Amino acid sequence: KNEVEQSPQNLTAQEGEFITINCSYSVGISALHWLQQHPGGGIVSLFMLSSGKKKHGRLIATINIQEKHSSLHITASHPRDSAVYICAVNYGQNFVFGPGTRLSVLP
Amino acid sequence: DGGITQSPKYLFRKEGQNVTLSCEQNLNHDAMYWYRQDPGQGLRLIYYSQIVNDFQKGDIAEGYSVSREKKESFPLTVTSAQKNPTAFYLCASSKWAWADTQYFGPGTRLTVL
Repeated sequence: KNEVEQSPQNLTAQEGEFITINCSYSVGISALHWLQQHPGGGIVSLFMLSSGKKKHGRLIATINIQEKHSSLHITASHPRDSAVYICAVNYGQNFVFGPGTRLSVLP
Repeated sequence: DGGITQSPKYLFRKEGQNVTLSCEQNLNHDAMYWYRQDPGQGLRLIYYSQIVNDFQKGDIAEGYSVSREKKESFPLTVTSAQKNPTAFYLCASSKWAWADTQYFGPGTRLTVL
């Protein structure tokens, strides 16, 4: 079974700071997803990646397949980025989700 | 607008009653999924369906049942056999199963009294 870990568990930042959230997994995967969950509970898919790097606006996601590790970066953070960020991996016919990283960005 | 909807947002039931959670999508997606989320834990897969009239158990299927009679609909029934049904339930869909972006519904928070 694939174990997915995220760090840090909680993160508080000042507006404008550069933020990094890490994800590691134990078994080879076909894809890794980064999700954002807002306080109301709704989840939005941010990225799906199987190699390299993707960028969307102020968000950047990278993955290192050999090291079984991915990072989500937020540049010029803003209070509206406050949410829980979840890493999920797909291997075979299965999805395993990490416990999430709770981010609070203070004005 | 295309999207995925769940209803109701909040649901209260007495212990021992079955309850059905609705999930509808108009994205023309073939695959649909049900997840459960408990405080402090990651989402866990209950059931998934890759195509109409077919569905498979996920990691925590005991005490739950589903049907997939239409492409757009994937209702989840929480039966009285589910020992700890109080949780937040999320439905998702994707065009192809697994290695594809999933679109999530807003969720249903079920409380069993």
